[in-house]
Amino acid sequence: IFLTQSPDTLSLSPGEGATLSCRASRSLSTTYVAWYQQKRGQAPRLLIYAASSRAPGIPDRFSGSGSGTDFKLTISRLEPEDFAVYYCQQYGDSRTFGQGTKVEI
Amino acid sequence: EMQLLESGGGLVQPGGSLRLSCAASGFSFKNHAMSWVRQAPGKGLEWVSGISDTGSGTYYADSVKGRFTISRDNSLSTVYLQINGLAAGDTAVYYCTKSRSPRGSVDAFDVWGQGTKVTVS
Repeated sequence: IFLTQSPDTLSLSPGEGATLSCRASRSLSTTYVAWYQQKRGQAPRLLIYAASSRAPGIPDRFSGSGSGTDFKLTISRLEPEDFAVYYCQQYGDSRTFGQGTKVEI
Repeated sequence: EMQLLESGGGLVQPGGSLRLSCAASGFSFKNHAMSWVRQAPGKGLEWVSGISDTGSGTYYADSVKGRFTISRDNSLSTVYLQINGLAAGDTAVYYCTKSRSPRGSVDAFDVWGQGTKVTVS
């Protein structure tokens, strides 16, 4: 299963909302989709698992949704610390990651 | 606090071998599947290998099958990645990761180490 994220780069200002997309090459029979945030020089951090469940300690401005082939990560109001690269992952059929979306100021 | 600490990376000539180690602490290691994920310089994340909680199941990306071997020692809370036949395309930071749910449950990676850098040149 291949994952394609869009857009590659999202240029926004603090306080704005962001919607990141992740499309699977074929329908996922489960909602085994996760989203990770990676800041420069750091390891990735789990934000969302099972398509819509927030990991412990993740602010509620982050939300996930979707099923089938289309999944989304929404950040309701961008904080300065949210500018980073975001990856989607499917873990229902082996494991694959999308190519990433950079959210920049 | 759950932690993963990788070691074993370095500069290796093409065709060489390395064994990466990942020492876990702060959780019941024997109850969780583990994986290795790599990231080439300036590129995205690539899952390369996973191992079940007991070690009886091992899984590999097609890109590394036959050259990488994952194993674990639950008595030492450590997972390993043996890499043979290294090529320039294997140059990356290798991250050790923990599966969020215990036992055989399929789940996302909730704990990541800081990574160990492998350079093939």
